Amino acid sequence: GAGVSQSPSNKVTEKGKDVELRCDPISGHTALYWYRQRLGQGLEFLIYFQGNSAPDKSGLPSDRFSAERTGESVSTLTIQRTQQEDSAVYLCASSLDGGSYEQYFGPGTRLTVT
Amino acid sequence: RKEVEQDPGPFNVPEGATVAFNCTYSNSASQSFFWYRQDCRKEPKLLMSVYSSGNEDGRFTAQLNRASQYISLLIRDSKLSDSATYLCVGTGGGNKLTFGTGTQLKVEL
Repeated sequence: GAGVSQSPSNKVTEKGKDVELRCDPISGHTALYWYRQRLGQGLEFLIYFQGNSAPDKSGLPSDRFSAERTGESVSTLTIQRTQQEDSAVYLCASSLDGGSYEQYFGPGTRLTVT
Repeated sequence: RKEVEQDPGPFNVPEGATVAFNCTYSNSASQSFFWYRQDCRKEPKLLMSVYSSGNEDGRFTAQLNRASQYISLLIRDSKLSDSATYLCVGTGGGNKLTFGTGTQLKVEL
């Protein structure tokens, strides 16, 4: 079946502009995660959605970052007033449930802020 | 202190060698652990889960030591195709997974 998809695959934006990144999880997966990975660095947790529960936003680095998820489907990550330090690959993952279940990652969106 | 810590490497080993990575975790309440593999400029993919009794999958063996709060990954008869970054992962608070920064392995001829 289809895996996790993300769009766009690459995004170049000017400093100060807003960007919206999209994630389509695997159908039936109730858990969805967003991570950020700077060049040569590890994965940095951003936000976690589980079913209809309130999302875990503890990893969002500032109030310029927000994310939404409609039910158990598509999620969008929005970065307002982008800064150069926001340049990174943004990875989305979904899993059947939270915690002990395997996370399947999308190919990521490479964001470059100029 | 990071929740999950790994030696970043790189570990440069000849083909056919046995190599082992360790990873320590700080949250004693962590229940589940995994090793993920990430190839250069690709997304991470699950390599194997880590069970308390230890588990083996072909050339790969994973161990969990709860008393000392570390997990390990052993790769036997390493192949060129094993070259990648290996990410140690544990459950943090709730259902969130916490990833280590990864250990880079380079297998050479």
